[in-house]
Amino acid sequence: DSGVTQTPKHLITATGQRVTLRCSPRSGDLSVYWYQQSLDQGLQFLIQYYNGEERAKGNILERFSAQQFPDLHSELNLSSLELGDSALYFCASSRDGSSGNTIYFGEGSWLTVV
Amino acid sequence: AQSVTQLGSHVSVSEGALVLLRCNYSSSVPPYLFWYVQYPNQGLQLLLKYTSAATLVKGINGFEAEFKKSETSFHLTKPSAHMSDAAEYFCAVSYGGSQGNLIFGKGTKLSVKP
Repeated sequence: DSGVTQTPKHLITATGQRVTLRCSPRSGDLSVYWYQQSLDQGLQFLIQYYNGEERAKGNILERFSAQQFPDLHSELNLSSLELGDSALYFCASSRDGSSGNTIYFGEGSWLTVV
Repeated sequence: AQSVTQLGSHVSVSEGALVLLRCNYSSSVPPYLFWYVQYPNQGLQLLLKYTSAATLVKGINGFEAEFKKSETSFHLTKPSAHMSDAAEYFCAVSYGGSQGNLIFGKGTKLSVKP
């Protein structure tokens, strides 16, 4: 158990819909990351937050947005969903978000868009 | 662009044989390097990481990796494979500074034959 909690574990939704994925980081970790894992793209970094502020942005689509709340939990919002958004979405956390920190991953949220 | 290359998307070894999973990175600055393992339907678990201390890094489950700057490599080895090592292995890199996000290779699926 990494200490990173993600909900829901599985989600099936229709094209055009909007979903929210939730993440609680490890106790004491200030930085949260979101990654997308798919068969064709592999593991792609989406976005990083540190103590409520966006720190780095990767290959995140404009239809996707995220935020980190004062209690440090984070949400990833996916809207206008397309079939190609079906993937495993990981949340991860680290102590202070700097390079070299160990990044701990949750077990992921499986999103299926039908 | 920063990148990580894992040679061989599938590697098969016999139980008790040497495991060698290859990883090369592109970098003009010293990187931080990581190996993660993903078991079926689970999240990523850190095996080991290199952060510019010793070039030979020992990790969990008997795995180790050697940082070779001249070859820009960070290959993962284990002297004797066990059936429980069957999983997908990801090499990842981060490049310093306040943005600790990881860039992952495409992964190598390890099969262990009895």
